[in-house]
Amino acid sequence: EADIYQTPRYLVIGTGKKITLECSQTMGHDKMYWYQQDPGMELHLIHYSYGVNSTEKGDLSSESTVSRIRTEHFPLTLESARPSHTSQYLCASSPGQGYNSPLHFGNGTRLTVT
Amino acid sequence: KNQVEQSPQSLIILEGKNCTLQCNYTVSPFSNLRWYKQDTGRGPVSLTIMTFSENTKSNGRYTATLDADTKQSSLHITASQLSDSASYICVVREYSGGGADGLTFGKGTHLIIQP
Repeated sequence: EADIYQTPRYLVIGTGKKITLECSQTMGHDKMYWYQQDPGMELHLIHYSYGVNSTEKGDLSSESTVSRIRTEHFPLTLESARPSHTSQYLCASSPGQGYNSPLHFGNGTRLTVT
Repeated sequence: KNQVEQSPQSLIILEGKNCTLQCNYTVSPFSNLRWYKQDTGRGPVSLTIMTFSENTKSNGRYTATLDADTKQSSLHITASQLSDSASYICVVREYSGGGADGLTFGKGTHLIIQP
């Protein structure tokens, strides 16, 4: 098992609240990612980072933001949660080099916005 | 547009039986193909990776095959166990990389092993 941690595991909040999903890894990986996963659907990339102070938006349009101030930490923030944000959010990391390196995933945060 | 299609969408088999999951892709140029296992409530875990020059690779009771000419891969599970119940996700990487490593994900096959 990879050492990548996500908190909280489950979160139920009301519409309009600001939330931050935490993700930390202890492997020293340069690359980190946030994916959104809905039941029976493929993972969609919402943000990624190739190192400290580097962040990019992914393929899926998202109203969230991320930061990468430290190598091990990649939090995702929703300024104003809406019911459409209800989903599972998966954080992942991988080493900086090599095409064959796997993604190491956390166990996800299941977010419900009421 | 790059696509990864997996079949079947779901599968139920009895414990001890074998099964084969399919993955077809249109990703080009191709770099590698990886199978992940995702247990309920957990993140995906890598099972095996196939590069262009490989056509078979095993990991315990899991055997992956790749036909790069027809752009098809399969994951064969031998002597299934209850712990094999999970979703199996096929992920194909584009050679040129692109944004965030150029990964295209399939929707997965949901496998249920019944005692």
